[in-house]
Amino acid sequence: GQNIDQPTEMTATEGAIVQINCTYQTSGFNGLFWYQQHAGEAPTFLSYNVLDGLEEKGRFSSFLSRSKGYSYLLLKELQMKDSASYLCALIGTNAGKSTFGDGTTLTVKP
Amino acid sequence: DADVTQTPRNRITKTGKRIMLECSQTKGHDRMYWYRQDPGLGLRLIYYSFDVKDINKGEISDGYSVSRQAQAKFSLSLESAIPNQTALYFCATSVAGPTHNEQFFGPGTRLTVL
Repeated sequence: GQNIDQPTEMTATEGAIVQINCTYQTSGFNGLFWYQQHAGEAPTFLSYNVLDGLEEKGRFSSFLSRSKGYSYLLLKELQMKDSASYLCALIGTNAGKSTFGDGTTLTVKP
Repeated sequence: DADVTQTPRNRITKTGKRIMLECSQTKGHDRMYWYRQDPGLGLRLIYYSFDVKDINKGEISDGYSVSRQAQAKFSLSLESAIPNQTALYFCATSVAGPTHNEQFFGPGTRLTVL
């Protein structure tokens, strides 16, 4: 299986930096995705990691360590519109089939 | 714009009724997926299809069936709806390939089974 763990909720302040962690136990996977989902809306793609290391994309960065079974999403210069759920997902070795974590609900306060 | 659409967007039905949720895409993607999402939880895969002749069960396929009528269309059926199938249902598509095949999601169908 691919057990994926994320914190349920986080709160941060506008303008700050927040790190959302994702840990997993799996026998193998092709890559790890992060998606953003606003309440009642569809998830949208944020970032993708195949190799260990940091992928930077504007205010968002994602890090992967396969040996530690760990990823994080880093959000910088937080804005109110960043209040959403953030879903970590693994693409299995049967490429294209994803397993999602339960998501972390981030609340950004003024 | 190339897009993923779902119909209906909202549906209320009664226990025992047969329900079909439809998904269409203009992205030209081969792969299509159906997920359900319950409050406070992530997405759970119901069925997925890698091309028109390929249908695969996901982790929670019991009580559901699917049909891939064309590359662009993938429908989900609940043969006899029950209250615990009340959820938000998402269709998604992706390109084929081993890496960087992020999924593009439709707007969702909110289904309530009374």
